Amino acid sequence: SAVISQKPSRDICQRGTSLTIQCQVDSQVTMMFWYRQQPGQSLTLIATANQGSEATYESGFVIDKFPISRPNLTFSTLTVSNMSPEDSSIYLCSVEGETQYFGPGTRLLVL
Amino acid sequence: GESVGLHLPTLSVQEGDNSIINCAYSNSASDYFIWYKQESGKGPQFIIDIRSNMDKRQGQRVTVLLNKTVKHLSLQIAATQPGDSAVYFCAESPSARQLTFGSGTQLTVLP
Repeated sequence: SAVISQKPSRDICQRGTSLTIQCQVDSQVTMMFWYRQQPGQSLTLIATANQGSEATYESGFVIDKFPISRPNLTFSTLTVSNMSPEDSSIYLCSVEGETQYFGPGTRLLVL
Repeated sequence: GESVGLHLPTLSVQEGDNSIINCAYSNSASDYFIWYKQESGKGPQFIIDIRSNMDKRQGQRVTVLLNKTVKHLSLQIAATQPGDSAVYFCAESPSARQLTFGSGTQLTVLP
């Protein structure tokens, strides 16, 4: 299975600011995914990030709010822009391998 | 839209007993199903998966059953241990890519 790390592991941010979350995987993968897990809830897919192309966003998520970079086959970033308290969630990246593996998540609290 | 749901939001079992966690799905095009375990403060951990051409698959102490007729998925954990206490999510997909997650079941193992 892939080993996935995320930075930061947690953060507390002020409303109106932006936070960039990094996801690093220990092997080259074609597809990386970003999910949001709101407090006490399940996971919702934000977007799919392929290296060398624009990310594909799910309904309800837009690039201006959640810009994504995928500069190479082992790394991706998700930015949460112009944050509000409603953005307080766990943000998780995952990669496609034999199945889909998840990173440890970034716990974001927006005040 | 399509959704995946769980029958029981919470489940308490005695240590040593067997646990059964159920999941209903509605997307008849789903071909791939996964069970994840999420412990507090961690990302989802892969437990077991099954494809639609199978009815049953066994792992170490876990068994997944798939009933395509009624669109039902279950996870059986044998001889439940305290370390099994976590939230369990089912997820489904037409592939191993964009996953749709169920709402989660909190499993508590009682001493």
